[in-house]
Amino acid sequence: DTEVTQTPKHLVMGMTNKKSLKCEQHMGHRAMYWYKQKAKKPPELMFVYSYEKLSINESVPSRFSPECPNSSLLNLHLHALQPEDSALYLCASSSGDMNTEAFFGQGTRLTVV
Amino acid sequence: EDQVTQSPEALRLQEGESSSLNCSYTVSGLRGLFWYRQDPGKGPEFLFTLYSAGEEKEKERLKATLTKKESFLHITAPKPEDSATYLCAVQEDSGAGSYQLTFGKGTKLSVIP
Repeated sequence: DTEVTQTPKHLVMGMTNKKSLKCEQHMGHRAMYWYKQKAKKPPELMFVYSYEKLSINESVPSRFSPECPNSSLLNLHLHALQPEDSALYLCASSSGDMNTEAFFGQGTRLTVV
Repeated sequence: EDQVTQSPEALRLQEGESSSLNCSYTVSGLRGLFWYRQDPGKGPEFLFTLYSAGEEKEKERLKATLTKKESFLHITAPKPEDSATYLCAVQEDSGAGSYQLTFGKGTKLSVIP
């Protein structure tokens, strides 16, 4: 099973709302990632959690706040977003060892109005 | 300068017309090169990992190869269901235990019946 599950699939939120994106994997992977993808662009890395600790934060604005409650779950808390934050948000996981592939979820399509 | 460059940006093939997609990279220490397929509005689907020059991997109509400077994704006798954007990503040996993937901009493949 190489499944990464993201919820919700679609989300529309206002600029004053607070919402959360959720990601779950049961492959025993110890590294989890958040990527942002705009239309016709490649995914851009936002955050990396390695063994439940934040190891990479690619200068992402503080209105995005990641959380890794346990080794299977990854959340992305959203607050006071801007319309330009509208994108496909992708979660991925990998075993945590070097030289291994990342498996992606189907993404959450976020629209900020 | 982009570390990962994919060409062509878009490719239209007749069903059964074989071709190749190119991914060139300029990272100094390659830890791994990954190919993904992405359908519109969906997350990337893992296809192959290549680690060293001369390595080849095959899956159905797809074959990936790697040299010291580039990778090719060969598509033999493509079918319309092979239509998608194909993404190449590299993992660089940064020495810091980083698992970060750097993606190319992708090649959008359309296979016409």
